[in-house]
Amino acid sequence: SQQGEEDPQALSIQEGENATMNCSYKTSINNLQWYRQNSGRGLVHLILIRSNEREKHSGRLRVTLDTSKKSSSLLITASRAADTASYFCATNSNSGYALNFGKGTSLLVTP
Amino acid sequence: GAVVSQHPSWVICKSGTSVKIECRSLDFQATTMFWYRQFPKQSLMLMATSNEGSKATYEQGVEKDKFLINHASLTLSTLTVTSAHPEDSSFYICSALEWDSNGYTFGSGTRLTVV
Repeated sequence: SQQGEEDPQALSIQEGENATMNCSYKTSINNLQWYRQNSGRGLVHLILIRSNEREKHSGRLRVTLDTSKKSSSLLITASRAADTASYFCATNSNSGYALNFGKGTSLLVTP
Repeated sequence: GAVVSQHPSWVICKSGTSVKIECRSLDFQATTMFWYRQFPKQSLMLMATSNEGSKATYEQGVEKDKFLINHASLTLSTLTVTSAHPEDSSFYICSALEWDSNGYTFGSGTRLTVV
């Protein structure tokens, strides 16, 4: 069932700026993942953060997780036009269970 | 890394016909596969979970007789949309869970248009 909520739903920025997307969820989680989807394409896994972790970095990506607030944020630094895509957070309550996806944030990065 | 091959990438069919979508895990065994549906500008909604060799588990509101799932081997799962109607037009995506791993690998999706 859908349990994640991202905000903003849409975000438009210029190249070089940072983009921050937030995700909230309702139930306890095993881990939280962020995915990227270009229009009409499949999903690309970006980063996974476990429930006992608070922050994780990967290249220009920074993810935080606050389990007390049941929320996560994804920061993309120094954005590029190629970062234009939809970004989804996804959670599962246990290893091996299906991922539940948030509604997504549509990011537009203009040159 | 792990790759899931999903075919076809797009298909147009007439109302009342059936369409089969295949997902194959390449170079790894997928004990569990998940099927999602995504309507335009919306998120992915889980349709069903399929385990190799057993019947699929469908989410509430998903008709099992309309969306037939077969997971006969550790590398292949198929979704057949039977008696398709225009409202079944959507983007269908599979995801494979690698054995003894937390890794979910997604297929590239199938755009189904029913006319």
